[in-house]
Amino acid sequence: EPEVTQTPSHQVTQMGQEVILRCVPISNHLYFYWYRQILGQKVEFLVSFYNNEISEKSEIFDDQFSVERPDGSNFTLKIRSTKLEDSAMYFCASKGEQGRNQPQHFGDGTRLSIL
Amino acid sequence: KQEVTQIPAALSVPEGENLVLNCSFTDSAIYNLQWFRQDPGKGLTSLLLIQSSQREQTSGRLNASLDKSSGRSTLYIAASQPGDSATYLCAVREANNLFFGTGTRLTVIP
Repeated sequence: EPEVTQTPSHQVTQMGQEVILRCVPISNHLYFYWYRQILGQKVEFLVSFYNNEISEKSEIFDDQFSVERPDGSNFTLKIRSTKLEDSAMYFCASKGEQGRNQPQHFGDGTRLSIL
Repeated sequence: KQEVTQIPAALSVPEGENLVLNCSFTDSAIYNLQWFRQDPGKGLTSLLLIQSSQREQTSGRLNASLDKSSGRSTLYIAASQPGDSATYLCAVREANNLFFGTGTRLTVIP
């Protein structure tokens, strides 16, 4: 079964540095998402992306965050100047079809540790 | 703002027992509700999706129900197995994003 893949599985970065998290969604999917999960807390929505633009973002997704689909296969999340509180698991998800009742398929996540 | 709550936070049962996990949400204007499984250090595996117009969905030993008007869903697991041990998350969909609960950590004891 097709999968969403995320790299790296674990990223350790110094505070203030830029980090890019990478995702390869399922190949024919059109809708892309990033979520994060701080240790012990809920999974939280960050941003959704369709047709090369952000369709919705949460209040967490401030100016330090950006997303990009640089080519036909990758979907990236960039954090410009990382803070300690950015330490979390970051999940990428994709969805194939338009419609309210199509499930989102999630990757295994990238654990981001800010030192 | 939508709030999703799951009770209990943790549950241990002996193998073979049937069990029910609960999920409640505050805003009934949802498109659908999804149950996920999360294994330690892993991503989210979708188990069942119930559309807002549906009352239940079944997949194998899993049955999920939805009462949208009261803001509740249950996940019923029949004849539990040690391999069912994981954290179970429910999430409701509004517009473009999912609102997740904090999960129920299930341990099935052999």
